[in-house]
Order: sequence, then C-alpha cells, then structure tokens
Amino acid sequence: GDSVTQMEGPVTLSEEAFLTINCTYTATGYPSLFWYVQYPGEGLQLLLKATKADDKGSNKGFEATYRKETTSFHLEKGSVQVSDSAVYFCALSGGGMDSSYKLIFGSGTRLLVRP
Amino acid sequence: EPEVTQTPSHQVTQMGQEVILRCVPISNHLYFYWYRQILGQKVEFLVSFYNNEISEKSEIFDDQFSVERPDGSNFTLKIRSTKLEDSAMYFCASGRGAPYNEQFFGPGTRLTVL
Repeated sequence: GDSVTQMEGPVTLSEEAFLTINCTYTATGYPSLFWYVQYPGEGLQLLLKATKADDKGSNKGFEATYRKETTSFHLEKGSVQVSDSAVYFCALSGGGMDSSYKLIFGSGTRLLVRP
Repeated sequence: EPEVTQTPSHQVTQMGQEVILRCVPISNHLYFYWYRQILGQKVEFLVSFYNNEISEKSEIFDDQFSVERPDGSNFTLKIRSTKLEDSAMYFCASGRGAPYNEQFFGPGTRLTVL
C-alpha cells in the first residue's frame, strides 16, 4: 500500500542554519503531497502542498518540490528560527483510486533550533 | 479564517466506558475524517465520511468505533467500550476533496483511559 518515509529525528540546528528534512513516498497513481507542522501542545497545521510532479510548495520560508523521478518531497528552509522548533510530518493523499482522500503520514521529524 | 473545532480538549475515562468526541468541521467542506496519534507515534487514519456515510475505514476502526453527523454541523466519534490502548490524541479534519485533497485539522482531544 501507499507509504511515506521520513528521516529520523531529532534534527538539532543553530538559528539561521539551513534545514533539510528528507521525505520519500511509495504510491500508486499520482498522489498529492503535503507537509504538516505540529508545534508543542498543538494540532496539525498545513504548512505547504504540491499536487503534481515538479510543483513547488512554499510557505513561511519553507519549500518542497514534488519529484516524481525520485519519489521525494524534501522540506527545506534557508535560515531556521527558534520558533520553527516543532515536529514536521510529510503526508500523501489520493495516490490511486482512493476516493476518500485520506492522508497517510510519515513518522514525523522533530526539529529543535537553538539560539 | 474558518477553523475546525473539537471538544473536549481532554477526556479522562475508565476502561469499558463509552466516550463521544465532538468536532465541528469547516462549514463548506464535504469530507470529514478522524485520525489518532498515540503519544510519540505517527498520525494514523481512522475513518473518512462523505455524503452521510463512511467512505473508508482503517483496521483500527473496529466495531467499537462509530461516527455520526447528527445535525449537519457536528461530526462525532464514539468509542463504545474504551480500552487502555485507546489512549491517544484524536484529531478531526475536514476538506473539500479533489483536486487538492488538503485537509484542515482541529486542535485534538486527548483521551486518557484509566
């Protein structure tokens, strides 16, 4: 079945460092891809999305490009801030004939940014 | 900006008791979902609901679970006889479906089964 694999955390960076969180997926068909962020004690917030190959999703300085040839959707940010400390989840939806559009999540990657 | 709301934020119950978790999805959304997250683990799909019926459910969603949209605005998840392993954060989400499939999540209900 469809699945998402994320790099294990925690990822610890200093403020203003470059961030990459790797995400690869397995899916039938052409899924939509998402990054969600979960701040401490809060729910899931949609960070960015991409719906077809070569699309680039971006928001709040974060970017991710839908790479069909490598089945990847890596999250990047050029300069992280302490406030970016959170757990980041890669997810996919709708890869096959699935009509419910359920989200399949990766295991999450905890990011800790130090001042 | 419209948002998904959930009540209660925290529910403590005894094993074997019934619980009902409540959600108010975003008003013009057509698809509704429940997910759960056991502490420190990944977010898992439970069930999706569209056009007043379940469209898909996971293996976790056994006969102890049920969902309802009783009045056109609320969306509920009932667990008939809770087990210790049902302790988790339960998230409600809603979305418009195709073409983008994005879903918006509520803040969650933390269920603790003693």
